[in-house]
Amino acid sequence: QSALTQPPSASGSPGQSVTISCTGTSSDVGGYNYVSWYQQHPGKAPKLMIYEVSKRPSGVPDRFSGSKSGNTASLTVSGLQAEDEADYYCSSYAGSNNFYVFGTGTKVTVL
Amino acid sequence: QVTLRESGPALVKPTQTLTLTCTFSGFSLSTSGMCVSWIRQPPGKALEWLALIDWDDDKYYSTSLKTRLTISKDTSKNQVVLTMTNMDPVDTATYYCARFRVETYYFDYWGQGTLVTVSS
Repeated sequence: QSALTQPPSASGSPGQSVTISCTGTSSDVGGYNYVSWYQQHPGKAPKLMIYEVSKRPSGVPDRFSGSKSGNTASLTVSGLQAEDEADYYCSSYAGSNNFYVFGTGTKVTVL
Repeated sequence: QVTLRESGPALVKPTQTLTLTCTFSGFSLSTSGMCVSWIRQPPGKALEWLALIDWDDDKYYSTSLKTRLTISKDTSKNQVVLTMTNMDPVDTATYYCARFRVETYYFDYWGQGTLVTVSS
C-alpha cells in the first residue's frame, strides 16, 4: 500500500495559479473517482477541499478545482491568496483490500 | 453538529500497547453508510491512513500495519477504539479520528488530533 506521489513543494505569487499533481496506480487513483484533496495549516486538522475528483464542499472557494487523467489527479489553486499557504494532501479509495491511501503531501508557498 | 475528539496517553514506552478512544457526537455509527477511521501524522510528515470501522462492524486496516491494529466500536457510547501493539519510536505521531461515509468516500469531519510520543 504505497502512498500516492506528490511534489514536495509548489509556489506562486499572489493572484497566480499553482497546480499540484498526485500520481497513483490503476488500483487507486486510476480505478475510482474517489479522489479527495485536503488542506492542512500548521497545527490544525486537515480540511476537505475537493472530493470525487472535482467537487467542492460548501464553503470552499471556487478558486480550488480538481481533475484526473488516468492514474494522476491534480489540484489547481487559482488566484493564490496568502491564506492558501498550507500543506495539501491528495487521497484515494483503493478498493476493499487496501481501502484508502493518502499522498506524500505538497507544501504550497505564496511568495 | 458533528464533533469528534481523540483521547489517550500522550506518552507510551516502546513495546507497549497504545489504546486510543474517539468519542463523537452529531451522528450515529449505527446509521447505514457511516464509518469512523483513524489517521496518523508523524511530526513534519505526511498523513497515513490506519483503520476504519463501518456501521455494520466491518473493519479495514492498513496492509502495512494490520498485524498490530485493532479497531472496535461501542455504538451506545458513540466511541471507536483503536489499539496498536508493540509501539516503537517511529510510531510517534498525531493520531486523528475522522468521520467517513461510503456514499462519498471522504473524511468530512476530523478530530483535533492527539500527539502520542513513544519513548522510554
